Amino acid sequence: QKEVEQNSGPLSVPEGAIASLNCTYSDRGSQSFFWYRQYSGKSPELIMFIYSNGDKEDGRFTAQLNKASQYVSLLIRDSQPSDSATYLCAVGSSNTGKLIFGQGTTLQVKP
Amino acid sequence: DGGITQSPKYLFRKEGQNVTLSCEQNLNHDAMYWYRQDPGQGLRLIYYSQIVNDFQKGDIAEGYSVSREKKESFPLTVTSAQKNPTAFYLCASSPGRGQGPDTQYFGPGTRLTVL
Repeated sequence: QKEVEQNSGPLSVPEGAIASLNCTYSDRGSQSFFWYRQYSGKSPELIMFIYSNGDKEDGRFTAQLNKASQYVSLLIRDSQPSDSATYLCAVGSSNTGKLIFGQGTTLQVKP
Repeated sequence: DGGITQSPKYLFRKEGQNVTLSCEQNLNHDAMYWYRQDPGQGLRLIYYSQIVNDFQKGDIAEGYSVSREKKESFPLTVTSAQKNPTAFYLCASSPGRGQGPDTQYFGPGTRLTVL
């Protein structure tokens, strides 16, 4: 089992829809969870982080964390073609503090 | 502007050559990291440093070396021992453990190609 798992996609949604990106992790002691967006050929940029169970909202983005289920998700409301990118989930290791990255989910928003 | 810079943006290496990738940050971050990304893959940690003059191997350190003589700088050398070095190399920095959320921020990356 991979430490951080994401469906590689592509996930295709129409413009204006809600895109839901999911991530599961194996380290029960993990305390920090991050979502990065990576456009093709570019470096990852931080979208948001979450530490507590529940939801955290920032503009069109909502991160959801369920530690009991070891599951973190990212919702993108009113998806735009400019949201088309690969979304990387990263989880902080409880032992080392290092980030463990998933392989990313490719999102395609169709006009 | 605060941020992380990497140079060069593109680098071509001949077989058997060592090359050094530069990473500089002016965010006053204690921790710095090097990752490698292959097409369609996630990020794999090569080396990291949590404080000046100290660094640790990551998951794929073989064929690479680093130094951390200054807080601002964390250069990565790709040696001839690295059998498949063609990849996108990403440098990141973070405030450091014990200083609140240890969020990593990335530089623009260096794309290395072996000819």
